[in-house]
Amino acid sequence: AQSVAQPEDQVNVAEGNPLTVKCTYSVSGNPYLFWYVQYPNRGLQFLLKYITGDNLVKGSYGFEAEFNKSQTSFHLKKPSALVSDSALYFCAVRAPGDAGNMLTFGGGTRLMVKP
Amino acid sequence: DGGITQSPKYLFRKEGQNVTLSCEQNLNHDAMYWYRQDPGQGLRLIYYSQIVNDFQKGDIAEGYSVSREKKESFPLTVTSAQKNPTAFYLCASKQTPRTSLSTDTQYFGPGTRLTVL
Repeated sequence: AQSVAQPEDQVNVAEGNPLTVKCTYSVSGNPYLFWYVQYPNRGLQFLLKYITGDNLVKGSYGFEAEFNKSQTSFHLKKPSALVSDSALYFCAVRAPGDAGNMLTFGGGTRLMVKP
Repeated sequence: DGGITQSPKYLFRKEGQNVTLSCEQNLNHDAMYWYRQDPGQGLRLIYYSQIVNDFQKGDIAEGYSVSREKKESFPLTVTSAQKNPTAFYLCASKQTPRTSLSTDTQYFGPGTRLTVL
């Protein structure tokens, strides 16, 4: 069975500083990895994904994530945080060849960016 | 959230009642999904459908039912058998990849918050 761990319930960072939101996964085979962001009382917005190719993936709003196969990680990063980045972030994984195309989500990490 | 609509945004239910949550998409996506989100937890899959007139149970299907009579619509019914239905419900859709993995992304609607009184 596949699983995702987001070890930090909350990450606090000052505006202008770099941010990292951690994600590790467990899946059979090469994973499909995703990051989503959720603002209060809203649906999830897709940020970026890794399917294959370059381990560094660039996404929306200046976010990027690095796939590290040896560490089974897919940490989300941004060089300079904005207050507007404050939200709930979810990492998700899908196993290749999964007939149901189902995603397994981590528990979420709340990012708080302070001015 | 564009392309996927959910209604209503807020829904209140009395114990013992069945309620139906609407999910419509105009993205021409084949697959649709229902998730439940509880505070402090990630999303859990309730049901999914990869094609019209077919659907499968997810991890927490008990107390829920769905139908997929049209490609655009995937309504979820929360029945009285669901013991703790108060939650935020999210619908998603995805194009089934045929020639390109770049379509392998689920897109989400704005959600429905269900509260049992």
